[in-house]
Amino acid sequence: EAAVTQSPRNKVAVTGGKVTLSCNQTNNHNNMYWYRQDTGHGLRLIHYSYGAGSTEKGDIPDGYKASRPSQENFSLILELATPSQTSVYFCASGEPGQYEQYFGPGTRLTVL
Amino acid sequence: QQKVQQSPESLTVSEGAMASLNCTFSDGTSNNFRWYRQHSAKGLEVLVSIFSDGEKEEGRFTAHLNRANLHVSLHIREPQPSDSAVYLCAVGDTGNYKYVFGAGTRLKVIA
Repeated sequence: EAAVTQSPRNKVAVTGGKVTLSCNQTNNHNNMYWYRQDTGHGLRLIHYSYGAGSTEKGDIPDGYKASRPSQENFSLILELATPSQTSVYFCASGEPGQYEQYFGPGTRLTVL
Repeated sequence: QQKVQQSPESLTVSEGAMASLNCTFSDGTSNNFRWYRQHSAKGLEVLVSIFSDGEKEEGRFTAHLNRANLHVSLHIREPQPSDSAVYLCAVGDTGNYKYVFGAGTRLKVIA
């Protein structure tokens, strides 16, 4: 079974501050994804990556950056956090050409 | 882009009664559909995946897919209080191997 871990699990940030959410996967998957989950919206795709050094915009990329420095690690960066970015963030990994995605446990971010 | 809607938003059933959840989508060309269960903002647990019209059973969970009607459902046989969770429908977005998720149905099973 794929292992995807996220850190931190909980984070409280101040408006205007910088936040970095980290994701690590140990199954050598090429694709990685960042979603946010809000009541009434389900999971929405923010950024994704096809491999080290690549990042692609998802459906709601505004206000977020992503970084994929290695096969294992994929970070989501909020340069100037806003209260509207308060949410639960999920990372997932998967293989190209396959729909199967393995999800991490989520990070609850609160921006005050 | 694929649009996915789930109904009802919330559902309460008695232990042992059948629970039925619905999901409609906008693009019938997808051939990849998945139901997830999520306990209290934890990670997502895959329950059943279905790739063609008809029925797919995984234990107490059965998915029914009818692409002509743009509809996929999940039926939970003999639900238990431990099945109380949010259930998410995910539809593969044809061609780019991404899922589009519904907003979820919150299921409560009472003893």
